[in-house]
Amino acid sequence: EVQLVESGGGLVQPGGSLRLSCAASGFTFSSYEMNWVRQAPGKGLEWVSYISSSGSTIYYADSLKGRFTISRDNAKNSLYLQMNSLRAEDTAVYYCAREMATVDDAFDIWGQGTMVTVSS
Amino acid sequence: DIQMTQSPSTLSASVGDRVTITCRASQSISSWLAWYQQKPGKAPKLLIYKASSLQSGVPSRFSGSGSGTEFTLTISSLQPDDFATYYCQQYNSYWTFGQGTKVEIK
Repeated sequence: EVQLVESGGGLVQPGGSLRLSCAASGFTFSSYEMNWVRQAPGKGLEWVSYISSSGSTIYYADSLKGRFTISRDNAKNSLYLQMNSLRAEDTAVYYCAREMATVDDAFDIWGQGTMVTVSS
Repeated sequence: DIQMTQSPSTLSASVGDRVTITCRASQSISSWLAWYQQKPGKAPKLLIYKASSLQSGVPSRFSGSGSGTEFTLTISSLQPDDFATYYCQQYNSYWTFGQGTKVEIK
């Protein structure tokens, strides 16, 4: 079964750091481009970051202002999001999402999400 | 940045109704548009990609159309399982989602 499972969320104080992980299974992880998407409580979806299959190309949403770092370990079938200088507005469910294998960059597989709460 | 605007924000409908949701892009995105369905507490599910291509396993009552800046998602006959929030997403330049359309029971 094709699956993505996020972990690493939790409660963190403002200014703190957190590292999210996304474990992939059921497909050749190293062949797929990956993304992080977040959703604040009661709000819509917001794209966060992209990484190419090899890890050589990375993009971030402008709103992050250099505080987040995406990475991957293809040997471990894992995607990561290092989040630093966290703010209350970063509180959200964070999803990892796989891009389609075709020329389309839509997200065909999503994890169940991991909740990040930034609060003192 | 490309902005995506969906309308309406909320839609009240009955089982069997034909439902149409509109998504407008702030600039042309060709056909690089996807539609997702999300139910409370669940991850989004891909329904349509490239504006009108039905994702594998998605019922044929869902269809998409449009190109350039205006797009629509149509549910031909609303089923009980279809009450959810729907998002459009452009992927012409990075990725941007619309604000969502909640389809609720009338």
